[in-house]
Amino acid sequence: EPEVTQTPSHQVTQMGQEVILRCVPISNHLYFYWYRQILGQKVEFLVSFYNNEISEKSEIFDDQFSVERPDGSNFTLKIRSTKLEDSAMYFCASRALRNTEAFFGQGTRLTVV
Amino acid sequence: AQSVTQPDIHITVSEGASLELRCNYSYGATPYLFWYVQSPGQGLQLLLKYFSGDTLVQGIKGFEAEFKRSQSSFNLRKPSVHWSDAAEYFCAVGAPGGADGLTFGKGTHLIIQP
Repeated sequence: EPEVTQTPSHQVTQMGQEVILRCVPISNHLYFYWYRQILGQKVEFLVSFYNNEISEKSEIFDDQFSVERPDGSNFTLKIRSTKLEDSAMYFCASRALRNTEAFFGQGTRLTVV
Repeated sequence: AQSVTQPDIHITVSEGASLELRCNYSYGATPYLFWYVQSPGQGLQLLLKYFSGDTLVQGIKGFEAEFKRSQSSFNLRKPSVHWSDAAEYFCAVGAPGGADGLTFGKGTHLIIQP
């Protein structure tokens, strides 16, 4: 069964460092998303991406964040200068069409020290 | 703005007992509705979804949910829980026909006691 894959599963980084989280969405999907979940809290939407551009972003997704689809398969989230409060589980998701459900990856746990 | 309320932070049920997890939403129209399950250290797995049509939807692992427009609710049910159902359950809403991000509730932690 096709699935969304995320790498790495766990990343530890020092405050102020740049980090790139990687995702491979399901191959025929057109819409891509990043969400985050701070430990013990709810899942929060960060950004959606379609047709090689951001289609929606939340207030959390400030100038420190960027997304990119550098090739036909990868979808990345970059955090330019990490802060302690960026520590969270980051989920990538994709969906095939507008009227379909989103499939989530297993997540990358980011720990900023 | 849309929002999702899951009023129960924790629920404990005995194995074999029935289960109902509550979800209420606030949205201008009828949204797309979802239930996801998250086992410890795992990602989010879709249990079921409602887009339109029959208000009682069946999902995986024996779960079902009923959409009640008058109550703005989408409660999740299972007639007999198994120990493997212990997990975090999230209700989510999305714009109908849209491709925007989902809004999640805070989740309900389900504990199964023997």
